[in-house]
Amino acid sequence: QLQLVESGGGVVQPGRSLRLSCAASGFTFSSYVMHWVRQAPGKGLEWVALISHDGSNKYYADSVKGRFTISRDNSTNTLYLQMNSLRAEDTAVYYCAKGLAYIGNSFDSWGQGTLVTVSS
Amino acid sequence: EIVLTQSPATLSLSPGERATLSCRASQSVRKSLAWYQQKPGQAPRLLIYDTSNRATGIPARFSGSGSGTDYTLTISSLEPEDFAVYYCQQRSNWPPITFGQGTRLEIK
Repeated sequence: QLQLVESGGGVVQPGRSLRLSCAASGFTFSSYVMHWVRQAPGKGLEWVALISHDGSNKYYADSVKGRFTISRDNSTNTLYLQMNSLRAEDTAVYYCAKGLAYIGNSFDSWGQGTLVTVSS
Repeated sequence: EIVLTQSPATLSLSPGERATLSCRASQSVRKSLAWYQQKPGQAPRLLIYDTSNRATGIPARFSGSGSGTDYTLTISSLEPEDFAVYYCQQRSNWPPITFGQGTRLEIK
């Protein structure tokens, strides 16, 4: 069955970097748009970034543009989020999410999330 | 950026009752609106996409409607497992893809 498993979260100091990974299985990863969506503690959902099925197109929320980089490796079915210059307001659970077929920008499957805490 | 405003913030109902949740957009989203359910400690789950299409495995008691700037998620008869937070999300004008702030559906 379809699975998305995030990893790489943890506690990091402001200004430092962290790389999240999302291992995908149970579907043809290379055929789908993929996203990162985050949720600060006790808050709502915030879309972070999108990458096209072949990695040729990437889009970001203004709040992370220039600091975060989304990428994918279709040979290993893995999605990444490189997060640089982290700030306290980046503290959140980060979910990877699969884009719905033919409608890439709604999310039909989600991982369990990985918590990133930015604190000194 | 399209802003989505959900109402009410909290809805208190009993099992068996009908729930009506609203999502208003700051400009037309041309029916490109989805709904998600999130329970505590869990990831969101897609319920409805493009206004009225139920996602795979979603019970028929969940339905969506709307057009232009105003959209509704209706749960026809609440089951105990339906009490959760619900989010709307638009994909009409992006980036950014945006979500509403959520409606908490609680047991009365």
